[in-house]
Amino acid sequence: AQTVTQSQPEMSVQEAETVTLSCTYDTSESDYYLFWYKQPPSRQMILVIRQEAYKQQNATENRFSVNFQKAAKSFSLKISDSQLGDAAMYFCAYSIQVEYNFNKFYFGSGTKLNVKP
Amino acid sequence: EPEVTQTPSHQVTQMGQEVILRCVPISNHLYFYWYRQILGQKVEFLVSFYNNEISEKSEIFDDQFSVERPDGSNFTLKIRSTKLEDSAMYFCASSWGAVGGETQYFGPGTRLLVL
Repeated sequence: AQTVTQSQPEMSVQEAETVTLSCTYDTSESDYYLFWYKQPPSRQMILVIRQEAYKQQNATENRFSVNFQKAAKSFSLKISDSQLGDAAMYFCAYSIQVEYNFNKFYFGSGTKLNVKP
Repeated sequence: EPEVTQTPSHQVTQMGQEVILRCVPISNHLYFYWYRQILGQKVEFLVSFYNNEISEKSEIFDDQFSVERPDGSNFTLKIRSTKLEDSAMYFCASSWGAVGGETQYFGPGTRLLVL
C-alpha cells in the first residue's frame, strides 16, 4: 500500500527558531519523488521543496531543507529561522509514475504550523 | 507567477443537488487533476485528465462525478447528486507533463458543505 503519514497534526515554533516536521511513507516502488507543499490560509498549496528518491543528497531551498532517510522511508522538513509567513498547513507527498501519462501523488493529512512572534 | 484558480471558494448545497466546481489551470499545462480532502483526513486523488479524456480515476470517482474541459481554460468537476459524505475541500491541480517527479500546481480549493 502506498501511504504517507504525518504524525504531527499541529506544531508551534517561536519566530526565528528552527522546527522540524516529520513525514514517513510506505512504498514498494524504487523510483519516486518526494515533495513538501505549503498551504497558507485560503491560499494555494505551493511547492516548498522536492527530492528525487535516487539522490542521496538532501534537498535544500533557502531556509527549508529535508532529511531524507530512504531506508527508513522518512522525509522530514526543517525550517530554519522561522518567520511569521511560514505559518501554514504543510503537506508531505510522494509521486510515482503509474502510466506514461499519469503521475500519481499520495499525500499525508498535513501538519498545521503556528509561528509565534 | 501563474496560478491555478478555483471558484467558488466555498459552496453550501442541499443533499441531492448538483454542484459544479470550477478551476482555471495554468495556461500552458496539459494535465489536470482533482483531489479532495475530507476534514482531518488525507488529500485523496480523484481523477486525472489529459487530451480531453480521463486518464486515470480512483475508486472514489464513481458515476456521480464527471469532469469536463468545456473550453480552452476551464476545468470542471460536477457532482450530480451530492451526498453528505461529499463534504470536503476539493483541490484542482495542473501540470505541464506527467513524467516521474513532475510538479503539480494546486489551486486554493473549494470547500463544499452538503447539508
